[in-house]
Amino acid sequence: DAGVTQSPTHLIKTRGQQVTLRCSPKSGHDTVSWYQQALGQGPQFIFQYYEEEERQRGNFPDRFSGHQFPNYSSELNVNALLLGDSALYLCASSLVGLAEGTQYFGPGTRLLVL
Amino acid sequence: KQEVTQIPAALSVPEGENLVLNCSFTDSAIYNLQWFRQDPGKGLTSLLLIQSSQREQTSGRLNASLDKSSGRSTLYIAASQPGDSATYLCAVRGNDMRFGAGTRLTVKP
Repeated sequence: DAGVTQSPTHLIKTRGQQVTLRCSPKSGHDTVSWYQQALGQGPQFIFQYYEEEERQRGNFPDRFSGHQFPNYSSELNVNALLLGDSALYLCASSLVGLAEGTQYFGPGTRLLVL
Repeated sequence: KQEVTQIPAALSVPEGENLVLNCSFTDSAIYNLQWFRQDPGKGLTSLLLIQSSQREQTSGRLNASLDKSSGRSTLYIAASQPGDSATYLCAVRGNDMRFGAGTRLTVKP
């Protein structure tokens, strides 16, 4: 049973560029959440997708957007990259939504913005 | 706004010691609390999940407790091993999921 997978593992971009990160949830899970983790800090919630809709959003600007596909996989898009967007981006999947059940995390995508 | 604090930020112990990691949160209106382990540069591995109606959960050498009224949780690690070296994060689920900054644990052989 495959766990949560993310691609790519590492990415280098320059300021102003756009980036797309991808996540496939654990088999049987229908909800995907995205987190940003800066160095030395805990992850911060970006948003959550369920039934192809954004259910909840953290305190992140509109430059951060996402999508969920019918097969429950998800993308995180970041436009107009800033140096401060450099971080580890984590995807987590769960079965019944944010408030219930264990969230399973992927290995993350490390983004470096130069 | 929920705030989650973990103390200490870093901890170094000799192998074999029992240790306690602390997590405190400001808003007791939570659904559950989860403890994670994170190895350097890696994703998060779930260790224990405590629902708001529960007081503790145990898995092997790990025991996590929850006192919702005081806004505290502890993670107890028995007979620590070098392989336990990692950053331990607690996360509180209310309206969203809030993480502490973690405790970086080093267990020396």
